Amino acid sequence: EDKVVQSPLSLVVHEGDTVTLNCSYEVTNFRSLLWYKQEKKAPTFLFMLTSSGIEKKSGRLSSILDKKELFSILNITATQTGDSAVYLCAVTGANSKLTFGKGITLSVRP
Amino acid sequence: DTGVSQDPRHKITKRGQNVTFRCDPISEHNRLYWYRQTLGQGPEFLTYFQNEAQLEKSRLLSDRFSAERPKGSFSTLEIQRTEQGDSAMYLCASSRQGSTNEKLFFGSGTQLSVL
Repeated sequence: EDKVVQSPLSLVVHEGDTVTLNCSYEVTNFRSLLWYKQEKKAPTFLFMLTSSGIEKKSGRLSSILDKKELFSILNITATQTGDSAVYLCAVTGANSKLTFGKGITLSVRP
Repeated sequence: DTGVSQDPRHKITKRGQNVTFRCDPISEHNRLYWYRQTLGQGPEFLTYFQNEAQLEKSRLLSDRFSAERPKGSFSTLEIQRTEQGDSAMYLCASSRQGSTNEKLFFGSGTQLSVL
């Protein structure tokens, strides 16, 4: 069965700090790894990663995948209070359904 | 693109009652997924459709749960004889199978509270 483990489960930082969120996975016939941000209701898409070593970047957020070691990281630089959310990591296997981790709760204090 | 919409946003019901939720996917998306999320957990897969065909159901889905997508557009999820353990956020998502870098877009969910 596909499995995703995220760490840490929660963290608290101050504005301006840099954070690294971790995601490790086990999946049959890996197709992609996705990061979502969930603030109150719907998870919103951040990144999709399919190839090792290629960094995806969007503003202060970036992510990279290591398919050999089966993990991904999501970095957020110069954090802001608006970054406070739950960050979800998910993987897709052969049938395209997403298997999610429990999520990482990030709290950014002013 | 109006996004994935779900109705109702909130539902409070008494134990033993039946409830039905609706999901309208993004119009050109042929795949539709149902997930359930409880506090402190990531979304758990329940079932998914490709067009009108239900292709996979989770072992989590008891026989009290049934989902339909009769015309390959909107979908309904019904829970019969609700139990307190059914209290959760029910999320719907859609995607376009065959697109490059297929990814799921989520609705805002239906929050179910079973009293």
